[in-house]
Amino acid sequence: EVQLVESGGGLVQPGGSLRLSCAASGFTFSNYWMSWVRQAPGKGLEWVAQIQHDGSAQYYVDSVRGRFTISRDNAKNSLYLQMNSLRAEDTAVYYCAREGSGTVFVYWGQGTLVTVSS
Amino acid sequence: DIQMTQSPSSLSASVGDRVTITCRASQRITSSLNWYQQRPGKAPRLLIYAASTLQSGVPSRFSGSGSGTDFTLTISSLQPEDFATYYCQQRGTFGQGTDLEI
Repeated sequence: EVQLVESGGGLVQPGGSLRLSCAASGFTFSNYWMSWVRQAPGKGLEWVAQIQHDGSAQYYVDSVRGRFTISRDNAKNSLYLQMNSLRAEDTAVYYCAREGSGTVFVYWGQGTLVTVSS
Repeated sequence: DIQMTQSPSSLSASVGDRVTITCRASQRITSSLNWYQQRPGKAPRLLIYAASTLQSGVPSRFSGSGSGTDFTLTISSLQPEDFATYYCQQRGTFGQGTDLEI
């Protein structure tokens, strides 16, 4: 059974940093592209970042480029999102998602809440 | 950037109804168009990928169609568990969502 379990969310002040983790199991992690998708309270879904199966390429939505870094450790079956210079508008539930062919988000974790507030 | 616009934004229906949700792209898309369901407090769930392919385990009352710029998600006979929010998605862009309410 595919499982994705996010952790690392919490309350952080504007300008602060946070590192999210996603532990994957039930599939060969190193074979799949992965993404982070977020959802602000009461709002829709927003794709945030994507990483190639071997970590050799990363892609970001414009609003986080230069502030967030997606990475992975295939030996540990783990995906990460380093978030720096956080802003109030980054407040959201962050989901990690396993992709299928053609940027389709096949499996999702349960999400972790990030709140940016003073 | 391609924009994805769903209509309607919200929809009231009854158990047993047939409903259709539309997703329109601002320009012709050539990559996969996908549909997700999200129940309150839960993670999204993939329903349809590549416009019309049913994801494993998804009931056959869900179907998708379309190409180019116009796509539809149809639920043939609403069940109580189908009342949720539905999103279309193409690459890194999601539609704004459609709230399906009783």
